[in-house]
Amino acid sequence: NAGVTQTPKFQVLKTGQSMTLQCAQDMNHNSMYWYRQDPGMGLRLIYYSASEGTTDKGEVPNGYNVSRLNKREFSLRLESAAPSQTSVYFCASRESSPYGYTFGSGTRLTVV
Amino acid sequence: QKEVEQNSGPLSVPEGAIASLNCTYSDRGSQSFFWYRQYSGKSPELIMFIYSNGDKEDGRFTAQLNKASQYVSLLIRDSQPSDSATYLCAVNEMDSGNTPLVFGKGTRLSVIA
Repeated sequence: NAGVTQTPKFQVLKTGQSMTLQCAQDMNHNSMYWYRQDPGMGLRLIYYSASEGTTDKGEVPNGYNVSRLNKREFSLRLESAAPSQTSVYFCASRESSPYGYTFGSGTRLTVV
Repeated sequence: QKEVEQNSGPLSVPEGAIASLNCTYSDRGSQSFFWYRQYSGKSPELIMFIYSNGDKEDGRFTAQLNKASQYVSLLIRDSQPSDSATYLCAVNEMDSGNTPLVFGKGTRLSVIA
């Protein structure tokens, strides 16, 4: 099915390990977003890419980096994982304003 | 700081009743408004969006927007147990090139059979 694909779906990391969360969309959307969702905190924006070749920080960028590899792909990297980064991570894409997002299925990350 | 406020709930309604979910926003320049449904352990899915004052209906769902009061609501008619989920309100400021949506923390709805 067309949409937003995130990998992996689940991951357990040890403190200090690094990893990259992958996101790809096949809807030819211009903008892509990374959010984390924690109980009681709602969806918080980490980074976004309004168009290919641009990236911007969101509300909670510390400890993360991103790469907009091409129009389809937007990856999120944790260089040195910390227990505070235990969360559910969602990637989303959007054609343009005023349309809404399409979300991926999420990555459940646990840092021990 | 742009804010979107929702009552966290839970909002409990009996099956067949109307569920009313409310959302207020701080940015008077906001232009478009979205309702997402999120089942436990799943990703948010778009139910409706609205950008003109008044009502917009889609099946059992009606979105209502009042820009003067900075208020948007979602009505669910003939509520079903399958409507039990968390409902997220999201707001977009004036169109300035795909700037991110601002989300509320969501209202948890429980429909009791």
